[in-house]
Amino acid sequence: EVRLAQSGAQVKKPGESLKISCEGSGYSFTSHCIAWVRQIPGKGLQWMGIVYPGDSNPRYSPSFQGHVTISADRSISTAYLQWLSLEASDTAIYYCATSNDTSGYYYPSYFDYWGQGTLVTVSS
Amino acid sequence: SYELTQPPSVSVSPGQTASISCSGDKLGHKYASWYQLKPGQSPILVIYQDNRRPSGIPERFSGSTSGNTATLTISGTQAIDEADYFCQAWDSSTAPDWVFGGGTKLTVL
Repeated sequence: EVRLAQSGAQVKKPGESLKISCEGSGYSFTSHCIAWVRQIPGKGLQWMGIVYPGDSNPRYSPSFQGHVTISADRSISTAYLQWLSLEASDTAIYYCATSNDTSGYYYPSYFDYWGQGTLVTVSS
Repeated sequence: SYELTQPPSVSVSPGQTASISCSGDKLGHKYASWYQLKPGQSPILVIYQDNRRPSGIPERFSGSTSGNTATLTISGTQAIDEADYFCQAWDSSTAPDWVFGGGTKLTVL
């Protein structure tokens, strides 16, 4: 069974750093991407970035480029989303997701497995 | 940047058919997917690649695309279908980029 287990909720102050994690199990971690998606409560979903653990070359949405860092550690089947300096506007739920899309494209057209979400609250 | 537009809310009576639209420029040339999101839960993929249903998703969920609009249809809507629904578009020529609609709150009255 494919499972993405995310780290727990975090409460931080503006300017602080944070690294949240997403551990994959039940599938070949290096063969499938991990994407990060932000949900601001009451609002929509936003794709932030994606990494293929097999090559660890992250790609970012222009909206998040330079503000977050995505990485993956193949040895422990875990992907990360990191901030060096949080802002209040980063308060959101963050999901990791992967896909079993076998269409043949390098990037999947959909995400069918999602982590449980990590709530990040940034407040002074 | 590419945008997808969904109605903020749709209401339906139990047993009736609910239709949720998602519009975007040349959406018919892209793949559309749909996700169900309930409070405190993770998103669930209910339709992918316009009209394909993942295993485990009830047959009452279906998808279609025509022109600039994708539509999620729920036939015989049940109370458990009350949730937020998000469409998502993907185009191999612009990947990596996954655009989500603003979401539609489905209320089963």
